[in-house]
Amino acid sequence: AIRMTQSPSSFSASTGDRVTITCRASQGISSYLAWYQQKPGKAPKLLIYAASTLQSGVPSRFSGSGSGTDFTLTISCLQSEDFATYYCQQYYNYPWGFGPGTKVDIK
Amino acid sequence: EVQLVESGGGLVQPGRSLRLSCAASGFTFDDYAMHWVRQAPGKGLEWVSGISWNTGGIGYADSVKGRFTISRDNAKNSLYLQMNSLRPEDTALYYCAKPNVLAAAGSRGAFDIWGQGTMVTVSS
Repeated sequence: AIRMTQSPSSFSASTGDRVTITCRASQGISSYLAWYQQKPGKAPKLLIYAASTLQSGVPSRFSGSGSGTDFTLTISCLQSEDFATYYCQQYYNYPWGFGPGTKVDIK
Repeated sequence: EVQLVESGGGLVQPGRSLRLSCAASGFTFDDYAMHWVRQAPGKGLEWVSGISWNTGGIGYADSVKGRFTISRDNAKNSLYLQMNSLRPEDTALYYCAKPNVLAAAGSRGAFDIWGQGTMVTVSS
């Protein structure tokens, strides 16, 4: 099975900061990579799919890049509503899998 | 409105069985593969299983393979997860999820629609 890792596992940031989260796959997954945001008590929300395509309705401060094994999610100017946990997910081969998550909290 | 509503969760003893259901509405159900994802309390997301629109393609996480069975009834716009030989580590909120890609375009799609989840607790 393809193993997904994320770094960092958590960090503190301030509104207005530019933040980057990294996701790595244990083998190549082309661009079959998605990013989700999850807030406590809520279902995950799709932000980015196909590694770099912004989901409809998602603010443009979110962007994704990468292909193969290394991917990044960038939030260009952190807003108060962006404090949440972020997960990457590969949907290249069964079994599909998620990264362990990155929690972004307020500094 | 596109909607997924899960049901069937509850408290069950280890070794017993439970069947989850997911009712879909607001989209053409048999145009899409469907999936189950779970989240243990305070933990991350875990993909559980996926099924193609015509049940011809099915996948399972290693942690549930041989114990869980995914199925669907396109006439009823419903997705199911039969869970046998349940273990305490299966305790989680179970979500059904719809991919953002039509089946005609392939089997790979990110999850753009999620249900609210149904809680399964495995404990004696």
